[in-house]
Amino acid sequence: EAQVTQNPRYLITVTGKKLTVTCSQNMNHEYMSWYRQDPGLGLRQIYYSMNVEVTDKGDVPEGYKVSRKEKRNFPLILESPSPNQTSLYFCASSLSIGTDYEQYFGPGTRLTVT
Amino acid sequence: GNSVTQMEGPVTLSEEAFLTINCTYTATGYPSLFWYVQYPGEGLQLLLKATKADDKGSNKGFEATYRKETTSFHLEKGSVQVSDSAVYFCALRGNTGGFKTIFGAGTRLFVKA
Repeated sequence: EAQVTQNPRYLITVTGKKLTVTCSQNMNHEYMSWYRQDPGLGLRQIYYSMNVEVTDKGDVPEGYKVSRKEKRNFPLILESPSPNQTSLYFCASSLSIGTDYEQYFGPGTRLTVT
Repeated sequence: GNSVTQMEGPVTLSEEAFLTINCTYTATGYPSLFWYVQYPGEGLQLLLKATKADDKGSNKGFEATYRKETTSFHLEKGSVQVSDSAVYFCALRGNTGGFKTIFGAGTRLFVKA
């Protein structure tokens, strides 16, 4: 089944404890991105990647890191999480760059930082 | 920069009522427009899309027409069902900012039996 998977689905952690949220897609998509969803704000892009070893900042990159060593994987790293990073996170992929391509979303990771 | 504005919710309708969710956009160039739907506890999934002016996207009884003259992409359905209860996001994807997708804030729809 074609899908985007994320792990973990739920995570409660404390301020400053490094964490990684994994994202993997099995559709051979070139483009991958991370979003956070907050009430009333819709989805805001954190980072995106147009291909392996090519990543760039989105609208809200502060406090996050990513890497794209393999085409299928795009982990999101929070080196020192803070309470303002409490949010619902989505990984997404699309076949390629270009305006016509829709995005396929993972199921989401709900992160709480205390 | 590019932006999307959609009507605030929640929208509450009775089953079989007509649905309209308004969406307007600001963009340079020739973006594609999308409607995504998010059911409780799930990620977003594509509902429909239109890639150029005057295109109509349709799926599952939902429709939206890409209107360049009014910069709008309103979502409509003639007869909603309880199972349509979800959050609906209007979005555009342009050729700036690394082909970033810009989302509206989302509109929550409740359909009562």
